[in-house]
Order: sequence, then C-alpha cells, then structure tokens
Amino acid sequence: GAVVSQHPSRVICKSGTSVKIECRSLDFQATTMFWYRQFPKKSLMLMATSNEGSKATYEQGVEKDKFLINHASLTLSTLTVTSAHPEDSSFYICSAIGPGKETQYFGPGTRLLVL
Amino acid sequence: GDSVVQTEGQVLPSEGDSLIVNCSYETTQYPSLFWYVQYPGEGPQLHLKAMKANDKGRNKGFEAMYRKETTSFHLEKDSVQESDSAVYFCALRFYNQGGKLIFGQGTELSVKP
Repeated sequence: GAVVSQHPSRVICKSGTSVKIECRSLDFQATTMFWYRQFPKKSLMLMATSNEGSKATYEQGVEKDKFLINHASLTLSTLTVTSAHPEDSSFYICSAIGPGKETQYFGPGTRLLVL
Repeated sequence: GDSVVQTEGQVLPSEGDSLIVNCSYETTQYPSLFWYVQYPGEGPQLHLKAMKANDKGRNKGFEAMYRKETTSFHLEKDSVQESDSAVYFCALRFYNQGGKLIFGQGTELSVKP
C-alpha cells in the first residue's frame, strides 16, 4: 500500500511553454502533498506544501507564480511550471503523507528538460 | 535552524565490509527520524524510521538507533552487499510543521564486488 504515482515520468519541452506534472496517491487519501526539486548528485529541495482545498505554502525563494500548485482532490496534486526556461530543467518529485500520518511516501519523479 | 548533516558524500566499501553512515541533526524540538534510499532515476523510498528516542529502526540488515543524547541517527550494517549500492538520505520531521521533511545532503554508497 501507500503508492504514489507521477505523470509524466519524463518530459521535454520548448522554452516558454508550460508543463503540468501530476501526482496521485493511488490507494490512500492525502490531505497534504509535497513537491521537491532535485539537482544531479544533490539532495531534495522542498519547494512547497500542497494542502487539499487550500492554497499551497511555498518555501522561501520559490516563485509561486512560476510553479503553480493545485490540490483539487484528496488523491491529486498538480505542479505547473509556467513559461519554462532551461534553468527549470530538473528532477521533480512529489510525496504524500500516508495512512497513519507517520510516513511520507514519494513518487517516482518526473524528469523535465527544457530546450 | 533545524538541520541534518551527513558527513560522508560517498562511501566505497567492499562486499562483506561493515558500514556506518553518519547522520547528525540539530533542533530544539523532538523530531521523528528517517532514512530514505534512492536508486538512480527513481524517487526516494522509506528505508527505516524511528519515532522517538531509543527506538531502533531496522530493514534488510540495516539498523539505526535514535540517540537523543548525541543527536545522531547513524545507519549501520554488519555486512554490505553490492545490491545495497544507492544514495541514502537521513531526514527529520516535525508533526507541528505540517509534516515536512528536512533532508541531509545524502551519502552515495557504492559497494565493490
């Protein structure tokens, strides 16, 4: 149990376009999900906390107009990278707090490449 | 502020060697502690956890003891295998901060056959 999926797993887009990444909790409801960014050989950087039915809470230095987060249901959160640029290329990972509220479960990640 | 420090960026034991991966944390609060493992191209997976002081997390021969007096959560294994090769992240979490995790820098374990 406690499976989190992400779609797409990999996306290549042109500079200036927007890209939407989906994060789903497959077998549990998640009122809270998290979005992380990871650079090669680096740790995970928390971007924002996504709460179902309310606005996301962004970490310091993360542009909320650049990285739009929507958590419209108890099983789905989306991250939209707006007007993407090459520096937005990265590995984006979501997570959700699982049943029992003790553990965060991570999705498999989405690799974004902006040309 | 709250932080997690992993002193080794990479460790290169041979198969059968014992292993200690260091993790220390700083906080004025009382966190839960976790080790996550990440394989290339994948998201992190929960490896083991300890919810309170003196708890010991165990998984696949790995152990980590929550030591409040030394603010440490070192990951240990008696005999590593090549299949243990991955990146290991130590993390802490507070319930009163919405459950977000604070990660260490990660330690890449590469076991030589």
